[in-house]
Amino acid sequence: AIQMTQSPSSLSASVGDRVTITCRASQGIKKDLGWYQQKPGKAPKLLIYAASALQSGVPSRFSGSGSGTDFTLTISSLQPEDFVTYYCLQDYSYPLTFGQGTKLEIK
Amino acid sequence: QVQLQESGPGLVKPSETLSLTCAVSGGSVSSRSDYWSWVRQPPGKELEWIGYIYNSGSTNYNPSLNSRVTISADTSKNQFSLKLSSVTAADTAVYYCGRRQRLALGDALDIWGQGTMVTVSS
Repeated sequence: AIQMTQSPSSLSASVGDRVTITCRASQGIKKDLGWYQQKPGKAPKLLIYAASALQSGVPSRFSGSGSGTDFTLTISSLQPEDFVTYYCLQDYSYPLTFGQGTKLEIK
Repeated sequence: QVQLQESGPGLVKPSETLSLTCAVSGGSVSSRSDYWSWVRQPPGKELEWIGYIYNSGSTNYNPSLNSRVTISADTSKNQFSLKLSSVTAADTAVYYCGRRQRLALGDALDIWGQGTMVTVSS
């Protein structure tokens, strides 16, 4: 199985900050990566797919980049509702595998 | 707009079989473009993909659970189900059903149910 290493596991930031979360795959996955946002007690929500495609309805402050083994999720200007947990998911090969998650906290 | 809703017992005894159902509205489990999936999340832990059913019959399971998992579909009720046998406390988790489909630029698990908590305990 492809291992997804996500970092950092937690991140302290302020409203208005620009932050970046990274995921590294244990082998090349082309651009077959998605980013999800999960609020407490809720299902994950798709933000980005195919590494850089913004899902319909997702604010443009979210962006993704990368290919092969290294990927990033960037939030350009943090809003109060963004301080939740984020996961990456590779769907290049089965079994699909998630990163360990990044919890965004208010500084 | 596709919507998914999980249902099933919230408490299962060790060694028994966990059974959950996901009702699909606004879409069809018979669709040849959708992969109907199960994902779980133990309390405070990361997400784990369990498997999918495609075209009402083709399945693919996570090898870590392979021998204990069965995913099936009931086209007459437009729902799909998860069975996980010989459960232990390690199977305690929130279980989500989801749809993976081809979007404009690639595949993604784009629709999720709200999740259902299953506790394994005697």
